[in-house]
Amino acid sequence: GQQVMQIPQYQHVQEGEDFTTYCNSSTTLSNIQWYKQRPGGHPVFLIQLVKSGEVKKQKRLTFQFGEAKKNSSLHITATQTTDVGTYFCARQGGKLIFGQGTELSVKP
Amino acid sequence: DAGVIQSPRHEVTEMGQEVTLRCKPISGHNSLFWYRQTMMRGLELLIYFNNNVPIDDSGMPEDRFSAKMPNASFSTLKIQPSEPRDSAVYFCASSSADNQPQHFGDGTRLSIL
Repeated sequence: GQQVMQIPQYQHVQEGEDFTTYCNSSTTLSNIQWYKQRPGGHPVFLIQLVKSGEVKKQKRLTFQFGEAKKNSSLHITATQTTDVGTYFCARQGGKLIFGQGTELSVKP
Repeated sequence: DAGVIQSPRHEVTEMGQEVTLRCKPISGHNSLFWYRQTMMRGLELLIYFNNNVPIDDSGMPEDRFSAKMPNASFSTLKIQPSEPRDSAVYFCASSSADNQPQHFGDGTRLSIL
C-alpha cells in the first residue's frame, strides 16, 4: 500500500554518538519529507527530498534519498540533548502519509 | 508572521458532549489539514481542504466527526457526541499547496472522560 515503514521505533544513544533512522516504501516515492517533533510539541518540517540519490545536509543532519526512490535515511552526527524527539518521514501520495516515527532519546 | 493557530490548547469534557476544535491557517496558504495523534495509531490524517473545499475525508473515523472550512482563514473540527476513545492530540496544519511542506499548529490536547 501507501505506507512508509520507519525503523527503528526507538533509539537510545549516549550524547556524542551517531544516530540513523530509515524510511522504506514498497513503491516508488515522488518525494519524501522529514519532520521532527519534540516531546510535547508539534511536528516541524526539516527537509524535502525529490531527486534520486539526493543528499542534503543541515549542520549535523544528513538526509539521503535512495537511488530507486524507495527509501530514505536521516543521519545525525554526534548527537546532542537538543536532538531529542521523534523523527518522522512522510511520503506524498496526493496527501502526506506519515511513518510511525523514530523516537530518539539522548543520555547526557 | 503568525503560524497556524489552534484553539483551545486543552479540552477536558465528559463523553456525550459536543467538542469543537478551531484552526486559523497561515495567511495565503491554500491547503489545510486535520490530524489526530495517539500513541497507538501515530499521526493520522483525518481530512484536508484545498481552497476551502474538502478533498479527502477518508480518514474521518465516523459520522460523529465533521469538519468545515467556511473561509480561507478558519476551519473547525467537530465531534458530536464525543467518546473516551476520541481522546488524543489534534493538530491542524497548513501549506501553500497540498504537496508542499506543512506547518503545524501547537495542537489541541483533548480528553474525554
